[in-house]
Amino acid sequence: AQTVTQSQPEMSVQEAETVTLSCTYDTSENNYYLFWYKQPPSRQMILVIRQEAYKQQNATENRFSVNFQKAAKSFSLKISDSQLGDTAMYFCAFMKLNQGGKLIFGQGTELSVKP
Amino acid sequence: EAGVAQSPRYKIIEKRQSVAFWCNPISGHATLYWYQQILGQGPKLLIQFQNNGVVDDSQLPKDRFSAERLKGVDSTLKIQPAKLEDSAVYLCASSLGGTGGQPQHFGDGTRLSIL
Repeated sequence: AQTVTQSQPEMSVQEAETVTLSCTYDTSENNYYLFWYKQPPSRQMILVIRQEAYKQQNATENRFSVNFQKAAKSFSLKISDSQLGDTAMYFCAFMKLNQGGKLIFGQGTELSVKP
Repeated sequence: EAGVAQSPRYKIIEKRQSVAFWCNPISGHATLYWYQQILGQGPKLLIQFQNNGVVDDSQLPKDRFSAERLKGVDSTLKIQPAKLEDSAVYLCASSLGGTGGQPQHFGDGTRLSIL
């Protein structure tokens, strides 16, 4: 069975600085997808970034980028130029190929951006 | 594009009572998911529908939880009778499905409190 581990329950960063959130996962699969979702206090899960395991190039979405290390089973999220609106819970999630889209989530990291 | 709609937003009931949640997915999304998110944890999949058929309900406590997706569009999740441990946020998500790692789009969730 696949598992996803986020080892940082809480993190904080000053506005405009850079922060990296860690995620590791365990799987015997070779092809899969990885996601980072953001959950602000309003509760709605919002997709931040998506990575396909068969692509070596790290995904990037504006200020958000990932460092995907397939051999190490590591998938960290870097947020550059942090903004107050980035304050939220961040969840790392794993999706097995050909399993209809079921997501397996980590425990989450609570990020606070301080002015 | 309208997002995933869920109701009610909050619900408070006493243990042993019954409760139902409703979800309307994004138009055209064949796959619908119900997740349970206990405070301080990542969401856990309860049930997944592809159109009006069940794909995965392996983690649904079937002695008390039931779900249906009539006509392959909106869905209801019911708990009867509720236990204290069912206190959680219930998230509905939808996606185009398939094997291409389509991201899931989430609703705002229903926060259920059991007294």
